[in-house]
Amino acid sequence: GAVVSQHPSWVICKSGTSVKIECRSLDFQATTMFWYRQFPKQSLMLMATSNEGSKATYEQGVEKDKFLINHASLTLSTLTVTSAHPEDSSFYICSASFQSYEQYFGPGTRLTVT
Amino acid sequence: QKEVEQDPGPLSVPEGAIVSLNCTYSNSAFQYFMWYRQYSRKGPELLMYTYSSGNKEDGRFTAQVDKSSKYISLFIRDSQPSDSATYLCAMRTIIQGAQKLVFGQGTRLTINP
Repeated sequence: GAVVSQHPSWVICKSGTSVKIECRSLDFQATTMFWYRQFPKQSLMLMATSNEGSKATYEQGVEKDKFLINHASLTLSTLTVTSAHPEDSSFYICSASFQSYEQYFGPGTRLTVT
Repeated sequence: QKEVEQDPGPLSVPEGAIVSLNCTYSNSAFQYFMWYRQYSRKGPELLMYTYSSGNKEDGRFTAQVDKSSKYISLFIRDSQPSDSATYLCAMRTIIQGAQKLVFGQGTRLTINP
């Protein structure tokens, strides 16, 4: 299957700072990328969907000004958590797909806000 | 009511047992049905994928879909300790070229040697 990477795998930041998470598709062109959040012992919840070169579409209840998504190329999407707070601590997982084909998931990024 | 319901477990069985994992769903618009396996602190990996009612087999894994009852299952035969993970069902819709996955809560499975 296709490979999707995320960086960093784990990040700790102080409350009030911003942190950027990268998602890369290594061997295919990702026309669409998805960002999910997963709290402990809970399922993946879709935060937003982004198409290359377009603004992201956010799910209901997700603050677009807090979770900035950029999908400027067919291989890279970034999620920036602005003014992070402890309640933003979670496991963030991206996935990538070519058009409406199968989503391939990254390994996830664990964010801890202190 | 959640769109996808899955018993979170945990489920613990001895090695070699047959495992049955189940999900129900309420949205008739779901077109594709998947099972993912997720190890601790890792991203999910796709195990099985089907879009029609009936059974689909892949090695020790069998996925079953009953669209009339809105019920899907995953069976694992001859379970191994390496099968210990969280199993997530997921349903997919594609509307006007845009796809969306909705996941169940995940069932944590432990296979005891």
